[in-house]
Amino acid sequence: DAGVIQSPRHEVTEMGQEVTLRCKPISGHDYLFWYRQTMMRGLELLIYFNNNVPIDDSGMPEDRFSAKMPNASFSTLKIQPSEPRDSAVYFCASSFGRGNNEQFFGPGTRLTVL
Amino acid sequence: AQSVTQPDIHITVSEGASLELRCNYSYGATPYLFWYVQSPGQGLQLLLKYFSGDTLVQGIKGFEAEFKRSQSSFNLRKPSVHWSDAAEYFCAVGKVAAGNKLTFGGGTRVLVKP
Repeated sequence: DAGVIQSPRHEVTEMGQEVTLRCKPISGHDYLFWYRQTMMRGLELLIYFNNNVPIDDSGMPEDRFSAKMPNASFSTLKIQPSEPRDSAVYFCASSFGRGNNEQFFGPGTRLTVL
Repeated sequence: AQSVTQPDIHITVSEGASLELRCNYSYGATPYLFWYVQSPGQGLQLLLKYFSGDTLVQGIKGFEAEFKRSQSSFNLRKPSVHWSDAAEYFCAVGKVAAGNKLTFGGGTRVLVKP
């Protein structure tokens, strides 16, 4: 299996622009997680899905952030408008089966907002 | 709410020396416990996990961890460190009731001296 795939790997954008991060989970996995990693706040869970349905979005920082999972093999995290404080590495992870917390992480997207 | 504490932010160890990384958790029942490693510019990779049974768990790359309920700890150890072990290490705790969510500690960065 190719593992969790994220694109792009690097994104540089200007403040106010819309940013879309993409994730393809491991085939067959039914849980998908979006994390943000910064030096100041460490690794934060933003939102997670089960069977394409958002279960907990309490970590989404504000309305500028939104996430969708239109099907089992694709998810997006969108920031609109982006701000410099959104600069971070965003990870997607997936897991299979309730009660199995082992998550497989993608390589991350490094976002820089100027 | 569950929480994870990694008391050491940075650790420097000489190549060939032993390594121990501390992890303490706060949770009312027996949690699921994990150690992940993150090499520079990479995603997180699972080193080992504890769900139940033998409290000494073996993982990949020669790592092991011991679950001590009385101390609410899950410390990671390696008898002889290699230069390639320089990375950041994250302890995480999860529970079924949280829908496969993981709570991560702040991480410990390990530097290996030649």
